[in-house]
Amino acid sequence: DQQVKQNSPSLSVQEGRISILNCDYTNSMFDYFLWYKKYPAEGPTFLISISSIKDKNEDGRFTVFLNKSAKHLSLHIVPSQPGDSAVYFCAAMYNQGGKLIFGQGTELSVKP
Amino acid sequence: DVKVTQSSRYLVKRTGEKVFLECVQDMDHENMFWYRQDPGLGLRLIYFSYDVKMKEKGDIPEGYSVSREKKERFSLILESASTNQTSMYLCASRGMGEGRREQYFGPGTRLTVT
Repeated sequence: DQQVKQNSPSLSVQEGRISILNCDYTNSMFDYFLWYKKYPAEGPTFLISISSIKDKNEDGRFTVFLNKSAKHLSLHIVPSQPGDSAVYFCAAMYNQGGKLIFGQGTELSVKP
Repeated sequence: DVKVTQSSRYLVKRTGEKVFLECVQDMDHENMFWYRQDPGLGLRLIYFSYDVKMKEKGDIPEGYSVSREKKERFSLILESASTNQTSMYLCASRGMGEGRREQYFGPGTRLTVT
């Protein structure tokens, strides 16, 4: 039972363009969502998060959008840079319980 | 900066061996977690701990156990390693009462069981 899904295993984008990574969830109890970035042979690093009471959160080049009615969130990276090439995981949690439910990940490749 | 360290970056063990993976965090965090990462499956929670001597099963606890004798240290134990436990193992920690919910991850241990 995959409660958090990233249906695109990979995405290729030209440098300077927008990258859009998508994530769907099934559990309406989730109230907090996070995005992590992972380089090979390193642990994931926290990127950006959003509470379910908001529909948008922005941090520099990174913006996360949440559509609760569609149970969908997306991460926008503008402009994309080659250093953004990594695997991106979305994650969800509820009740401050501490447990994160992760998606399968999307590998982003930004080409110069 | 939060620092989470793991005892080994790469480990090769034989089938049937008992394996210990150690994780230490330096931020006095209450919560600690062990995940494994496999291609196409994302990160899956094995065990977690809310405090010293407390442990809870995650989604895939079979074949694993954990120990948390001190707040800063959380150990994952493979009682009898099997080839299907070949994976990347990631430890994470999280503080309570900060208003933020992100977990901080260590660099990972790539375990190969032959």
